[in-house]
Amino acid sequence: GAGVSQSPSNKVTEKGKDVELRCDPISGHTALYWYRQSLGQGLEFLIYFQGNSAPDKSGLPSDRFSAERTGGSVSTLTIQRTQQEDSAVYLCASSLMGTGFQPQHFGDGTRLSIL
Amino acid sequence: GQQVMQIPQYQHVQEGEDFTTYCNSSTTLSNIQWYKQRPGGHPVFLIQLVKSGEVKKQKRLTFQFGEAKKNSSLHITATQTTDVGTYFCAGPGSSNTGKLIFGQGTTLQVKP
Repeated sequence: GAGVSQSPSNKVTEKGKDVELRCDPISGHTALYWYRQSLGQGLEFLIYFQGNSAPDKSGLPSDRFSAERTGGSVSTLTIQRTQQEDSAVYLCASSLMGTGFQPQHFGDGTRLSIL
Repeated sequence: GQQVMQIPQYQHVQEGEDFTTYCNSSTTLSNIQWYKQRPGGHPVFLIQLVKSGEVKKQKRLTFQFGEAKKNSSLHITATQTTDVGTYFCAGPGSSNTGKLIFGQGTTLQVKP
């Protein structure tokens, strides 16, 4: 695809359930990032992938959050035992390389609502 | 930890007025990037500044990077309704992994 694709676009689930969010980056982009954006707030960094490895997962809020990337492409962010404070828009971005000098291209995000 | 602050948080202007948002980092940055997020949309890359004191223009938008590489500004001349959105500055995290530390953003409203 031409841009970063995320699915689902919206997810409503009950507190305590597990959710899995998917990100398909731009083809050829080796770096992939997950961010979280709460209503009216800035972007909170969660995790960074270079290829399939995650050299920086310092932003994951708790051990309920995990992410993986396979084949240097698609990434999934999993939230276990969801809590109401997990409600937010989860944004994925990719860049050609993970040097900090590359612009990041964002997907449309997954809007997660925990009831 | 490293912080990037932006002011103001909100700005309402009449169409045709100028607008400026300011960005300050707690640490020296190797570069700074600016993004625009339209209401309901995702952040879109606008520009990157790398050199100390650098000034770049994109039509009515002027971006500056401070001499000490710790602050930046975005100035819009003669705002239009199409300028509505939230403007974020972002700098590389100190761990140099490519992650960006985003400011909280300045939300611009333009009254026609």
